[in-house]
Amino acid sequence: DAMVIQNPRYQVTQFGKPVTLSCSQTLNHNVMYWYQQKSSQAPKLLFHYYDKDFNNEADTPDNFQSRRPNTSFCFLDIRSPGLGDAAMYLCATSRRGQGGEKLFFGSGTQLSVL
Amino acid sequence: GQSLEQPSEVTAVEGAIVQINCTYQTSGFYGLSWYQQHDGGAPTFLSYNALDGLEETGRFSSFLSRSDSYGYLLLQELQMKDSASYFCAVRDQAGTALIFGKGTTLSVSS
Repeated sequence: DAMVIQNPRYQVTQFGKPVTLSCSQTLNHNVMYWYQQKSSQAPKLLFHYYDKDFNNEADTPDNFQSRRPNTSFCFLDIRSPGLGDAAMYLCATSRRGQGGEKLFFGSGTQLSVL
Repeated sequence: GQSLEQPSEVTAVEGAIVQINCTYQTSGFYGLSWYQQHDGGAPTFLSYNALDGLEETGRFSSFLSRSDSYGYLLLQELQMKDSASYFCAVRDQAGTALIFGKGTTLSVSS
């Protein structure tokens, strides 16, 4: 089945140690998103790609970066994780121009920072 | 910027009907979406309204009034499995990405 896959499901890192979260999709969607969600809060948009065009939200910390080497893969890099970066990180995709309100989410990566 | 307001919690019993309201303020409006998220799970798409009126999908319906900047999600014949968080969402100013409301936690009891 076509889907959005995030690895790993759980990630533990140390304070200040760089970490990379990965996302892949088999839906061939042209838009990919990274959201951060803390407990009992709404998903907060960090960035998104429309094809190769990168869009960074104004309040996304510089500590967060993203790469999309091809249509299928997208990575979230946290250069120096702090305790406040512990959260669920959700990757999502959509197809612009085809009822693009429908986002398909991966299962998320729960990041813990020790 | 975009902002959405929805109640933080709603409780109901099995078989009941519940309505979750959402008001929004946007610079540019492309439609109102609703997502469901079970505890520990990922959000899943429920519905989308671009035009005024009611959209029905099984037990769930969604309504939009663009003149009032208001919409709601209506859940009928509630089941225990409907206990989840429900988010309304609109596109950002550029119209390229979805911004979510703070979510409404629905608790269904027997």
